[in-house]
Amino acid sequence: NAGVMQNPRHLVRRRGQEARLRCSPMKGHSHVYWYRQLPEEGLKFMVYLQKENIIDESGMPKERFSAEFPKEGPSILRIQQVVRGDSAAYFCASSQIPTGQGSHEQYFGPGTRLTVT
Amino acid sequence: AQSVTQLGSHVSVSEGALVLLRCNYSSSVPPYLFWYVQYPNQGLQLLLKYTSAATLVKGINGFEAEFKKSETSFHLTKPSAHMSDAAEYFCAVSLYNQGGKLIFGQGTELSVKP
Repeated sequence: NAGVMQNPRHLVRRRGQEARLRCSPMKGHSHVYWYRQLPEEGLKFMVYLQKENIIDESGMPKERFSAEFPKEGPSILRIQQVVRGDSAAYFCASSQIPTGQGSHEQYFGPGTRLTVT
Repeated sequence: AQSVTQLGSHVSVSEGALVLLRCNYSSSVPPYLFWYVQYPNQGLQLLLKYTSAATLVKGINGFEAEFKKSETSFHLTKPSAHMSDAAEYFCAVSLYNQGGKLIFGQGTELSVKP
C-alpha cells in the first residue's frame, strides 16, 4: 500500500511565478490536510479538504494561496505570485476519517521543499 | 484556543542514556495527543498517540509517553537512547470538534552522543 505521495519533492520558483504542489493521499483516504513548515519552526496547519470540499481553511493566507481536492486526481496547493517568504517545506497528510473523530492518525508525505529566488 | 509547548528546542543525550522530551498542552476539552518524529529532509512518522484509553502509551522504536491530565503533559521517554534516535520530535494535539487539524509544538531536536 503506497503511502502519501507528494510531487515535486523540490521546487524552485522566481518571485512572481506560480507554484503548484500535488498530493496523492493513501489509498482509501478521503481526508487531506496541508501544513507548512518554515525554517526552524514547527508545522502550521493550512487547510483541510475532503473530495470536492474545503472543510477548514483557517490557516490559509488570505491572498495568493488556494487549495483543491477534485473528485478525480490529487489534491493541489497553489501559490500565485510567490514571494521569498513562501520558501518553506509543504507537507500533505491524509487520514481515513477526520483525526478528531476516533483519533485516526494522519499519515504524512515526504513534503515539497519550495525555494523562491 | 488549544496550544502545545515543547520545552527545550535542543536536547542532547549520550547513547544508552534516558531520553525525556517534554510536551505540555492547553485545551478546553479532552484532546487527542500525538508524537511524531522527523528525520532530515523527510516527512513525519507517527511514534505514538493518546486516544483517552490507557494513559501510558507505548509506541514504536521503544518510545512511550504518559498522559497526565493534572499536569496537562504528555512527555515522551525512552529508557536507552540509540544513535538512530537523533531526529526532530514534534508533539501535536487534535480536538474532536475541530475537524482533525493538528496543532504542533515547535519541535525538539534530539542529538545522541556516542
